[in-house]
Amino acid sequence: DIQMTQSPSSLSASVGDRVTITCRASQDISNYLAWYQQKPGKVPKLLIYAASTLQSGVPSRFSGSGSGTDFTLTISSLQPEDVATYYCQKYDSAPYTFGQGTKLEIK
Amino acid sequence: QVQLVQSGAEVKKPGASVKVSCKASGYTFTNFYMHWVRQAPGQGLEWMGWINTNSGATNYVPKFQGRVTLTRDMSTDTAYMELSRLTSDDTAVYYCARGPALLGYWGQGTLVTVSS
Repeated sequence: DIQMTQSPSSLSASVGDRVTITCRASQDISNYLAWYQQKPGKVPKLLIYAASTLQSGVPSRFSGSGSGTDFTLTISSLQPEDVATYYCQKYDSAPYTFGQGTKLEIK
Repeated sequence: QVQLVQSGAEVKKPGASVKVSCKASGYTFTNFYMHWVRQAPGQGLEWMGWINTNSGATNYVPKFQGRVTLTRDMSTDTAYMELSRLTSDDTAVYYCARGPALLGYWGQGTLVTVSS
């Protein structure tokens, strides 16, 4: 099975900073990569799909890029409400494995 | 509007089984797969499997093969996840989420606690 590896596992940044989270697949998944945001105590929320397409209603400070095995999620200007754990997920075929998550905090 | 409403929290003893329900509304139930994802306390998301709500076909992560059963009731637009031979490692919040592949809608989660 394809493994999904995120880095870093945790991240602390200041409001206004540019933040980048990476996700690596152990095999080529084309662009079948989604990003989810899970705020503390809340249900996960779909942010980005097809590696770079923003889900409706998601602020434009979020962006995604990559294809094949290497992907990134970028927040262009970190806001306090972005405190959350972020997960990547492959969805080319089952199993739809998630990365282990990146916990983002405000410095 | 799309809604997935799950059944309430459960406390089970080791070795028992649990069945969690997920009632869908606001869309045509049989047009979308239903996925199940779990999250142990303080841990990440773990995809468990999906059910084709039209045909009933299922796909499970090998880790859960033989212990998990996904079913659906088309008359009530409800999906079910049953997990057997529970251990303390199965203590988690269990989510249903609408597919087919992208999980754009999630249930509120059901906490299953396994404790003697």
